[in-house]
Amino acid sequence: ETGVTQSPTHLIKTRGQQVTLRCSSQSGHNTVSWYQQALGQGPQFIFQYYREEENGRGNFPPRFSGLQFPNYSSELNVNALELDDSALYLCASSLFVTAAQNEQFFGPGTRLTVL
Amino acid sequence: GNSVTQMEGPVTLSEEAFLTINCTYTATGYPSLFWYVQYPGEGLQLLLKATKADDKGSNKGFEATYRKETTSFHLEKGSVQVSDSAVYFCALVGRDDKIIFGKGTRLHILP
Repeated sequence: ETGVTQSPTHLIKTRGQQVTLRCSSQSGHNTVSWYQQALGQGPQFIFQYYREEENGRGNFPPRFSGLQFPNYSSELNVNALELDDSALYLCASSLFVTAAQNEQFFGPGTRLTVL
Repeated sequence: GNSVTQMEGPVTLSEEAFLTINCTYTATGYPSLFWYVQYPGEGLQLLLKATKADDKGSNKGFEATYRKETTSFHLEKGSVQVSDSAVYFCALVGRDDKIIFGKGTRLHILP
């Protein structure tokens, strides 16, 4: 059984650029969530996708957007990058859409640095 | 709004010592409570959970009891090992079904 994978591992961008991060869900999981983890902080919920539709969003601006594909893999897109977007971005997949029920399986993350 | 507060680290202990990492929460109603662990270079893993008051979650020798009266979910282990060195996150899921993490506590175990 393949776990959650994310690409790339590290990424350096400059302010104003756009970035796309990718995530492959654990086999059989239909729900994917994205989190931003700033240095020294806990992960913060960005949004969740269930069966290719957004199913909940945290306090992040619209320049953070996502996609989920029919094979349940997912992308996180961030436009107009700002310095404060520098963080570890985590993807997590799960079987159930309800956060209280499910066990989320996390990928190792993508470290984004914005200069 | 909902929030989680956990003790700041790093926490440094010798092998076989007793571990407590404090976690308190603020939430309306009865949230579900979780501990996640992040080993170096790996993604977060669910360590244990409790979904109602007085429930005790346990896994790998770790335990935490959901205390409604003190709004706490402290993580304990009787005898830690070097392999327990990691960052530990307390988290809750409230009525809005969104997960809120604490800031994490880094644990170092010395041989």
